[in-house]
Amino acid sequence: NAGVMQNPRHLVRRRGQEARLRCSPMKGHSHVYWYRQLPEEGLKFMVYLQKENIIDESGMPKERFSAEFPKEGPSILRIQQVVRGDSAAYFCASSPDGQGTFFGQGTRLTVV
Amino acid sequence: AQTVTQSQPEMSVQEAETVTLSCTYDTSESDYYLFWYKQPPSRQMILVIRQEAYKQQNATENRFSVNFQKAAKSFSLKISDSQLGDAAMYFCASYPMNRDDKIIFGKGTRLHILP
Repeated sequence: NAGVMQNPRHLVRRRGQEARLRCSPMKGHSHVYWYRQLPEEGLKFMVYLQKENIIDESGMPKERFSAEFPKEGPSILRIQQVVRGDSAAYFCASSPDGQGTFFGQGTRLTVV
Repeated sequence: AQTVTQSQPEMSVQEAETVTLSCTYDTSESDYYLFWYKQPPSRQMILVIRQEAYKQQNATENRFSVNFQKAAKSFSLKISDSQLGDAAMYFCASYPMNRDDKIIFGKGTRLHILP
């Protein structure tokens, strides 16, 4: 079991470009969570998805951010028209049912 | 709503000594999980220990143990025989057991190990 895989590990985008972050959950896990970690801060919840459904997106900014978890393939966190304030580490986590959620290594997004 | 509070932004401990990291939480759930996660400089999040709230016995994993006080809503992490590799951010977290919801994290405690 390869664990939660996130790619890319590092992503640099110019202001105004789009960022696409991918997360492949652990095998057998149907729950995926995305978190954002700003420098020196704790993790902030963004969105919780199950296959093909968004369960809770209360932590996701209303503009420019979207997430999906299709029936086949990885979960995608998409940030359109990135701004400097979007620079952060984005973590994906997966669980079969919440009994110990496992995290990926994160994607560090830098907006220049 | 659930909240998790870690009141110690930073702590230091001498190598081989014991250190306790504090965590308090608030939840309206009757059944829930509590977790401690470790985030080393690599930024990967590693599950250190998990406690089911219905269990009275404190969870233990090798040098890591918790002091779970359900009435006080306290969930502290004790690290015995501290090692240099224990240096990291530690996050306390809670999760409801019987319904789909999100994990709620505290802001973290940065642990320094002094050689």
